[in-house]
Amino acid sequence: GAGVSQSPSNKVTEKGKDVELRCDPISGHTALYWYRQSLGQGLEFLIYFQGNSAPDKSGLPSDRFSAERTGGSVSTLTIQRTQQEDSAVYLCASTETYLYNSPLHFGNGTRLTVT
Amino acid sequence: AQKITQTQPGMFVQEKEAVTLDCTYDTSDPSYGLFWYKQPSSGEMIFLIYQGSYDQQNATEGRYSLNFQKARKSANLVISASQLGDSAMYFCAMSVSGNTGKLIFGQGTTLQVKP
Repeated sequence: GAGVSQSPSNKVTEKGKDVELRCDPISGHTALYWYRQSLGQGLEFLIYFQGNSAPDKSGLPSDRFSAERTGGSVSTLTIQRTQQEDSAVYLCASTETYLYNSPLHFGNGTRLTVT
Repeated sequence: AQKITQTQPGMFVQEKEAVTLDCTYDTSDPSYGLFWYKQPSSGEMIFLIYQGSYDQQNATEGRYSLNFQKARKSANLVISASQLGDSAMYFCAMSVSGNTGKLIFGQGTTLQVKP
C-alpha cells in the first residue's frame, strides 16, 4: 500500500516568509509525528498527534511553528516568519498505535531552505 | 530523562564482513522499545529492527541482529555479510511506555562498505 506522503519534496523560501509543509499518513494510522533533521544530525521531535487527543507540542522550537491535523488524517506544519536556522529536512511519520513497541513509518521528507 | 548515545560517528567495513554499530541508552522506565533505522543518501528512513525491553531473545531480521544487553543498557546493531548497499547513516532510537510512542534518536553512525 501507499506509504507516508510529504509535499513539497523541496522548498526554497526567503527569510521572513511563511511556509506550509504537508503530510499524508498511511491510511488507518492513528498517530502522526513531525521531526526535524538538520544537516548531518539526528532527528529532533517536534509534535505528535493521536486521534482526537490534544497534540503533544513539547518539541516545537518556537511559537513560529504550529501544526494541525484535519479529520484525523492529513497534517500541515506551518512555519511563520522563517529564519535561516529553520533550514532542515522536515520528516513526517505515522504509526498504527501510539504504543512504545510500534515502529514509525517515515515519509521522504521536505527539504526546506531559507535564503 | 531518556537519552540515546551513538559514539561512532563513522565506520568502515569490508564487503562481506560483519560490522557492529554501538548504541547505549538511558531510561528509568521498565517498559521501552529500541529501534534501528537506516537512512541512505536518498534521505528516507527505513525501519530495520525492533527489540522490546521484556524480550528474552535478541531480535533478528535477515542480516540484521540486535545484541541487547539490558544490564549494560546497550542495543548494538550487527550487520552480517555487509553489502555495498548497506552504506548509509544508521540511527538507534528508543520509545518508552509513558511517552506516546515518540522516538528519541541518537546522533547516528555513518557506515561505509568498501568493495
